[in-house]
Parts: sequence; C-alpha cells; structure tokens
Amino acid sequence: QKEVEQDPGPLSVPEGAIVSLNCTYSNSAFQYFMWYRQYSRKGPELLMYTYSSGNKEDGRFTAQVDKSSKYISLFIRDSQPSDSATYLCAMSAEYGNKLVFGAGTILRVKS
Amino acid sequence: DAGITQSPRHKVTETGTPVTLRCHQTENHRYMYWYRQDPGHGLRLIHYSYGVKDTDKGEVSDGYSVSRSKTEDFLLTLESATSSQTSVYFCAISGGQGAAQPQHFGDGTRLSIL
Repeated sequence: QKEVEQDPGPLSVPEGAIVSLNCTYSNSAFQYFMWYRQYSRKGPELLMYTYSSGNKEDGRFTAQVDKSSKYISLFIRDSQPSDSATYLCAMSAEYGNKLVFGAGTILRVKS
Repeated sequence: DAGITQSPRHKVTETGTPVTLRCHQTENHRYMYWYRQDPGHGLRLIHYSYGVKDTDKGEVSDGYSVSRSKTEDFLLTLESATSSQTSVYFCAISGGQGAAQPQHFGDGTRLSIL
C-alpha cells in the first residue's frame, strides 16, 4: 500500500463547477500538507501549503486537512479551462524535508 | 518562477552510456533535490543536498549519484544508463531547514534511454 493515495482521474467537469480533489495517507507523522498544480511538460507549481489540521483559503482555492481521518482535500470554486492540469498532493513529517507525493489527479475543465 | 534551470531539457541516449543532468539555481537556497516522475508513481525522491558537498539518498537512489560543489549547482549522474531510468527528472529547491520551507520545482528533463 502506498503511503499517499490519490485517485488519478481523469476528472472532467464543466466550466464554473466546484471541483473537489482528495488524498488519503497512512503516516500519522505527516504535519505539512501541500497541493501542487502541474501543466503538461512543466514542473509542479506550489498552490497551497498548510500545517496540521484546518482550512486555508486563497482566492478560488481552499485546502482542508483532517488529520483524524488522514484525509486532505483541495476545492476549486468557479473552475476555469485554465485550471485543467494535474494536481499533486504532497506531505511531510515535522522534522526533515522529504516530501511524499500522491500520483496526481488529472483535471479537465470543459468550456 | 523560482530561478531554477535544468539542462538539458531533452536527451535520448543508449543503454550503458553515462548521463549527467544539471540543475542550476539563482536563489542561493541551501536545499536541492532530484526527483523522477513516472506514470502511476508521482514524484519520487532520488537524492537531495543540504549544503555544498552534503548529500543524502532518497527513496529510489540505486543507479544514481549526485554532486554539489557549488551552492548553485546540483548534478545528477547515471553512471551506466538502463531503460528503467527512462523518466522525467525534476530538480527542486527550498530555502530552509525542515518542512516549513516548501519546495519549488524546475521544468524537468525528459530522458529516454534506448
């Protein structure tokens, strides 16, 4: 079993929809949680960064962390065709800087 | 952009040949990382560096070596390339110690080993 599980998709939604992307994990030591967006043939770009449990909002993006369930989510409101990309979750323990990534979810937003 | 340049961007080579990939940063960050990305596996850490001449192994280090003689450059070497090392390789940097400093990535090198 992988340390971080992420549904690969693809997830296809109409423009304007609310998108929910999720990851589950097994290592209770993870404290830092990140979401990266990756366009085709480009490197991952940091979208959201949260510590421990709770919510964080940035524009159309909201990240949620539920450590009791070992479950993290990224919500995208009013989705746009430009949001079409692969979304990677990543996490690390409190000490050390080694990230563990999910395999990524492909999102397609249709206009 | 985070000031990370990877070279070459694309390379095709034959099994058994040595290959060196270069990561150059202009941010003066202490930490540098090499990952490989394969379908179904996401990004996996190969090696990382926490300072000049200070490196350590990651999850998938077999068949790879690294060197860091200057803060700005981190080299990844495949001593004798194999077809299983065909992948997209990403370099990342971060500014500080511990997970409180998120990592920023370059645009990758596509390596094909025939």
